[in-house]
Amino acid sequence: SAVISQKPSRDICQRGTSLTIQCQVDSQVTMMFWYRQQPGQSLTLIATANQGSEATYESGFVIDKFPISRPNLTFSTLTVSNMSPEDSSIYLCSVRGTGNYGYTFGSGTRLTVV
Amino acid sequence: KNQVEQSPQSLIILEGKNCTLQCNYTVSPFSNLRWYKQDTGRGPVSLTIMTFSENTKSNGRYTATLDADTKQSSLHITASQLSDSASYICVVSGRGSGANNLFFGTGTRLTVIP
Repeated sequence: SAVISQKPSRDICQRGTSLTIQCQVDSQVTMMFWYRQQPGQSLTLIATANQGSEATYESGFVIDKFPISRPNLTFSTLTVSNMSPEDSSIYLCSVRGTGNYGYTFGSGTRLTVV
Repeated sequence: KNQVEQSPQSLIILEGKNCTLQCNYTVSPFSNLRWYKQDTGRGPVSLTIMTFSENTKSNGRYTATLDADTKQSSLHITASQLSDSASYICVVSGRGSGANNLFFGTGTRLTVIP
C-alpha cells in the first residue's frame, strides 16, 4: 500500500493565523483526500484534491477557508485559514489504495488553536 | 440515510483477555467494510477489509466478521496486549470510487490495562 508522509504532526497556532499541512505520497495517485476529525468524532471529508484541477469541496467546507493545492500526483497541501479555536482538530490526508488495501491515511496533524 | 454505528463507545479490558467490538450500518448499496486501528494522535491504519461475499477475515489476533444480511460486523481481538489500546473505526463503502462514498463510525476506544 502507499506510504504517506504528513507534516507537521502537531502545531499550536494563534487565532487569526493560517497553517499549511503537507502530504507526500511515495507513489503517483489520481485523487488525494483531506479529512477533519474533531475531538471524539468520526472523520469528515473536507475535499478531494485532483491534480490539474480545483479541489472538490464537501458541503460545509469552502475554498476560502481550506485552500488546497495539488501541484503533482504525489503531493498536496491543505491550508487552514484565519483559524479559530473551533478549527482545533486532527487533519488527515488519504489516498485510495489498490487491491485489498483500501484507503491509506497519513499520520495526521493535531492542530490546537488558542 | 447512510450511517455507521459502533458499540461500545469505550471499553477497558485486562491484558490477555479477549474482546469484541460491534458495527451496525445502514449504507446501501454496500461495497465493502473496513476496520481501522487509530492510535492516539495518529492516522488510521487498516486492519481488515471485507466485501459482501466474505463472512470472516483474520489479521493476526484480529478477526472481523460480516453479516451483509443484517448489516452487522464485529471485530474480535484475541489475547489483548497493551499495544492494542487505540480507537477502532468501522468504515463502510457504498458503490463508487470516491471518498464521499465512505461512511465512518465514531469508533470504539479500547484501553488495555495490565
